[in-house]
Amino acid sequence: GQGVEQPDNLMSVEGTFARVNCTYSTSGFNGLSWYQQREGHAPVFLSYVVLDGLKDSGHFSTFLSRSNGYSYLLLTELQIKDSASYLCAVRVITGNTRKLIFGLGTTLQVQP
Amino acid sequence: EAAVTQSPRNKVAVTGGKVTLSCNQTNNHNNMYWYRQDTGHGLRLIHYSYGAGSTEKGDIPDGYKASRPSQENFSLILELATPSQTSVYFCASGDGGGSNERLFFGHGTKLSVL
Repeated sequence: GQGVEQPDNLMSVEGTFARVNCTYSTSGFNGLSWYQQREGHAPVFLSYVVLDGLKDSGHFSTFLSRSNGYSYLLLTELQIKDSASYLCAVRVITGNTRKLIFGLGTTLQVQP
Repeated sequence: EAAVTQSPRNKVAVTGGKVTLSCNQTNNHNNMYWYRQDTGHGLRLIHYSYGAGSTEKGDIPDGYKASRPSQENFSLILELATPSQTSVYFCASGDGGGSNERLFFGHGTKLSVL
């Protein structure tokens, strides 16, 4: 079946970095997005990747390896306000249907 | 200002009752989506729409109907609400039909069915 897996929790320290991992097993892969969701709030789009390699967007960078079904979101110079859930979403195409499959999210806690 | 707004923010309904969740977007996006989010399941797609007058079934459409009377408005209807439909519901608009489409979510509606 189609699946997107993320670790449940991640803890890091203010001023350092955090890497949020995502593995997927899908057919018809057509891109991967990352969303940030703070507690009690709506998901907010962060990044989209479809080609292999590292995409640097400043505070957030995103890596993709399609052959390994793997992506990560790298947050640098962490701030307390980066504490949130990070959702990985894989877009797949099956026939004429496009769909977005979300992972359960990784809850990042940034400690002082 | 919020571009995707949902109403109500919170709703308590009785089993067997009818519930309508409303969504309005000012992004002028063609695509709109209804998701529910539950612990252990993540975001799951219920219904979506490509434009006014169109509705399509998502991954978990049973027990739900959708209506898209205009570009701006997309409603989710629970004709006979059940406790299993207790959840947080998110509406979203999408900025394109391609693989790089970004979704813009509303603040969510917390529905409790007693």
